[in-house]
Formats: sequence, C-alpha cells, structure tokens
Amino acid sequence: EVQLQQSGPELRRPGSSVKLSCKASGYSITDYLMHWVKHRPEHGLEWIGWIDPEDGETKYAQKFQSKATLTADTSSNTAYMQLSSLTSEDTATYFCASPSFDYWGQGVMVTVSS
Amino acid sequence: DVVLTQTPPTLSATIGQSVSISCRSSQSLLHSNGNTYLNWLLQRPGQPPQLLIYLVSRLESGVPNRFSGSGSGTDFTLKISGVEAEDLGVYYCVQSTHAPPTFGGGTKLELK
Repeated sequence: EVQLQQSGPELRRPGSSVKLSCKASGYSITDYLMHWVKHRPEHGLEWIGWIDPEDGETKYAQKFQSKATLTADTSSNTAYMQLSSLTSEDTATYFCASPSFDYWGQGVMVTVSS
Repeated sequence: DVVLTQTPPTLSATIGQSVSISCRSSQSLLHSNGNTYLNWLLQRPGQPPQLLIYLVSRLESGVPNRFSGSGSGTDFTLKISGVEAEDLGVYYCVQSTHAPPTFGGGTKLELK
C-alpha cells in the first residue's frame, strides 16, 4: 500500500525557514515525480513544484522559485521541501503528492507568526 | 499556464440529488500521446485531497460508482448520481497535460 507520511505541524517566526519531510512507503520514490502543493481555504490548491528523486531534477511554479527548495534522499525514501524567508502569506497546509496527484500525504500545517 | 475554470463555485444539494460540476480549460488538454490528463479530486474538511477520477473518466479503485467523469478537449464534467453525506467537501479538477500542472478553483458541495 502506497503511503506518504509527512512531518508534524510547524510554528515559525517571520523571516525564518522551515524544512518539511514526506516519507514514502509501498514504492520507491525514484519511480515517480513528487509534487508539493499549497492549500489555503480561501485560495484553493496551488502547485509549488516537483522533484524527480531519481536524478534530483526540479521544476517550480514561477511564484515559488525563490521560496521553495525541493530535495530528496533516496536512501530513506523521503522527499523534502524547504521554505525560506517566511511571511504570513506562507501560513498554509502543505501536501506532497505523487505521481500524478494519485496519492497524497496527510498534509502539514505551517503557521508563521511573531 | 493552463487556466481551469470550475463552475459553480458552490453547490447546494439534498441527499439523493444528482449534481454536476463543470471544469473548463483555457486550452485543449489532449496530450500528443493521445491521453487527456484531467483528474477530479475531493477534499473533505480537514483531510488531504482524494483522487476520484483520472484520465477524464476512469474511476479510481475504491471510489463509488455514483461518481462519473466525462468530456474532452476543453470541457469536462464530474457527475454525482445521488449525493450522499460523505460526498460533502470541495471538488477540484487538476490537469497535468501541460506544464505546470494547474488546479481549478474548486467547487464546494454543501447540504441544502
């Protein structure tokens, strides 16, 4: 059974960074792209980017180019997303999803507040 | 980027009623390989999105057959034949024919 297990909720100060994890089980992350998606109820779902864990190639939505950094550790079958220079606009739930939005992690709530 | 326009933004239904949601694309979603990469997702409150329909009309395993998808090119429809209480939430269409992937704005299904 394919599962994507994400890390727990995060509370960060404005200007700081956070690194989120997404551990896959039931398949090898090198088999498929891993997407990351942002959700705010008033904004719906926004695609952040994807990583090909096999070779580390990444692709980002233009608005997240300088905000998000996607990486992967094939030895632990885990994908990561780092968000930098956090602002209140980054307060949201973040999901990992693979391969074509078939499977989703449970989501992680990131709250940015002083 | 491809823009997906979902209508209506909100849908009120009674249990047992049949409803439809439209997803219109700013360009054709037919890929050069002959597939149309248009999926439908349901996000219940406090839950991650769940895949319902993939490749326009294929029902994901375990999804009740009251859900059906249809369409081609730029116009797509999700139909629920007999709404049940567990169907409440926000429905999204998502395309991955063209890079980057894009989501529709969502349709919130509520009980009337």
